[in-house]
Amino acid sequence: DIVMTQSPSSLAVSAGETVTINCKSSQSLFGSVRQKNYLAWYQQKPGQSPKLLIYLASTRESGVPDRFIGSGSGTDFTLTISSVQAEDLANYYCQQYYDTPLTFGSGTKLEIK
Amino acid sequence: QVQLKESGPGLVQPSQTLSLTCTVSGFSLTSYSVHWVRQHSGKSLEWMGRMWSDGDTSYNSAFTSRLSISRDTSKSQVFLKMNSLQTEDTGTYYCARNGGYKGFDYWGQGVMVTVSS
Repeated sequence: DIVMTQSPSSLAVSAGETVTINCKSSQSLFGSVRQKNYLAWYQQKPGQSPKLLIYLASTRESGVPDRFIGSGSGTDFTLTISSVQAEDLANYYCQQYYDTPLTFGSGTKLEIK
Repeated sequence: QVQLKESGPGLVQPSQTLSLTCTVSGFSLTSYSVHWVRQHSGKSLEWMGRMWSDGDTSYNSAFTSRLSISRDTSKSQVFLKMNSLQTEDTGTYYCARNGGYKGFDYWGQGVMVTVSS
């Protein structure tokens, strides 16, 4: 199974700051056929279902604010949230869909000071 | 619009079978695969298995021996059955649509299941 290691497990920032969340996979998520990385980021607000933010490592889902930026390739990926807003309070998960079983990172809890 | 909604019992006794239904609308089960994902309280997400658009299934080996996923395309429903439930199966169960190369682009609201006598 592909292991997804996510860090940090939690962080607290003030509104307006920039946040970086890291995700490392135990093997490459780069698909040679489509030349894409099969990595997604989800946001889960308290009491809600997960919501897709980023797919193929760096493509923002429709309607997602442009302050959410996904980057990385191979085994190392990053979700950057610039100018954090109070509404960004949530847990964030990375997920690989390169191979089954599909696996998720352990999550990062973002708190707003 | 695309919607998924899980339904099923909130309480199941240990050793019994869990039966959940995911009712979808706004898309066809013959065009998209639907997945089941579990989340223990306060924990991360665990992929359980999927129903492919062609009717085939694949499972997480952690559940293979006791998990079954099926569907009724005429009712736009995907079913999950898992037997021999234990207390550690307590959690929230989600169905989600696989948007092709996007990962899971739509999720249901989730159904909370408690395994207890």
